Amino acid sequence: GQQLNQSPQSMFIQEGEDVSMNCTSSSIFNTWLWYKQDPGEGPVLLIALYKAGELTSNGRLTAQFGITRKDSFLNISASIPSDVGIYFCAPPRGNYKLTFGKGTLLTVNP
Amino acid sequence: SAVISQKPSRDICQRGTSLTIQCQVDSQVTMMFWYRQQPGQSLTLIATANQGSEATYESGFVIDKFPISRPNLTFSTLTVSNMSPEDSSIYLCSVEAFQGGGTEAFFGQGTRLTVV
Repeated sequence: GQQLNQSPQSMFIQEGEDVSMNCTSSSIFNTWLWYKQDPGEGPVLLIALYKAGELTSNGRLTAQFGITRKDSFLNISASIPSDVGIYFCAPPRGNYKLTFGKGTLLTVNP
Repeated sequence: SAVISQKPSRDICQRGTSLTIQCQVDSQVTMMFWYRQQPGQSLTLIATANQGSEATYESGFVIDKFPISRPNLTFSTLTVSNMSPEDSSIYLCSVEAFQGGGTEAFFGQGTRLTVV
């Protein structure tokens, strides 16, 4: 099966710091999606990447689709308390079946 | 985008019983998906629900345990049958929908199931 490695598993940072997390895979994907999940909620899509090498921003979030199509990273700049949550990479395989990374639990200390 | 409503949002059930979870979408979609998120874990795909045909199950999941209905393009149900404490999880419905530059997957808020 496909191996999807997401790191780090958790991060504890101070408000205002920047954050970086990444996912690597043994397989090639044509799309990379990044989701955030708040407690008691379903995942919410943050950024979608459709082309190898693509760099996309959404406010303080920036994500890149690796040129090999086997990896992606997500950066959050100037973190704020509401950034707390679990972040997942989730590249889809055929027919939009998502493979989820294990998640990165982000804690932001005010 | 798509707005997805799941019912119930949470339930506590006795072992050996069954629970049916409903998923309603505000627009017609071809593909609907059911995921499970065990406590402290990531999401795992259970099955793909297609209208007019049997659901397609992922490895490790079977129809007898997780029967799925898909009567139309906006609705699906997932039943968790003969429950045991190991079935305690969050169950999430997802759909694919076109947004912006491509097709994306959207999720309901999930159904938190506790089996006692």
